[in-house]
Amino acid sequence: GAVVSQHPSWVICKSGTSVKIECRSLDFQATTMFWYRQFPKQSLMLMATSNEGSKATYEQGVEKDKFLINHASLTLSTLTVTSAHPEDSSFYICSATDGREGPGEQYFGPGTRLTVT
Amino acid sequence: GQNIDQPTEMTATEGAIVQINCTYQTSGFNGLFWYQQHAGEAPTFLSYNVLDGLEEKGRFSSFLSRSKGYSYLLLKELQMKDSASYLCAVSDSNYQLIWGAGTKLIIKP
Repeated sequence: GAVVSQHPSWVICKSGTSVKIECRSLDFQATTMFWYRQFPKQSLMLMATSNEGSKATYEQGVEKDKFLINHASLTLSTLTVTSAHPEDSSFYICSATDGREGPGEQYFGPGTRLTVT
Repeated sequence: GQNIDQPTEMTATEGAIVQINCTYQTSGFNGLFWYQQHAGEAPTFLSYNVLDGLEEKGRFSSFLSRSKGYSYLLLKELQMKDSASYLCAVSDSNYQLIWGAGTKLIIKP
């Protein structure tokens, strides 16, 4: 149980275009989803936290107009990188919690590798 | 502020034992997680400690001392496939995960 999928697993796009990444919880309802970014040889960096039906909470330094997050249902959250630039090339990972009271264990998706040319 | 410290990199020999330490200072504590992350992949859950003591799970064990703000992950009978980054994360008073920078473990034959 507690499986999270991401699509696509990798994407190459041209500078200036937008890319949408989907994160789905397959066998549970994800009340909260998290979006992380990871650059090579660095640790996870939390970008934003999204709760179903409400606006995402962005971490300091993350542009909310550039990284659009939509958590429209209990099983789907999307991250859209708008007007992508080469410096946005990174490994984007989502995770989800099932909302039960507890320590906040996060179930991770397999990640999406974005390359902007 | 909130802070989690773990060594950047460690090297160990196949078949040996290695201990990866993690110290933390957070606003509240609702448990400590260890995750394993292979290069180019997402993290996978290894262990969770909320009470003091040692939790053993096969070749991996995790220890917690809340009074000292300290945890370690112990890996026994190391295998080459254990080469990965190991991430320490603490659940704070709001149940948000605070992440360490990760420890890259290199296993040599």
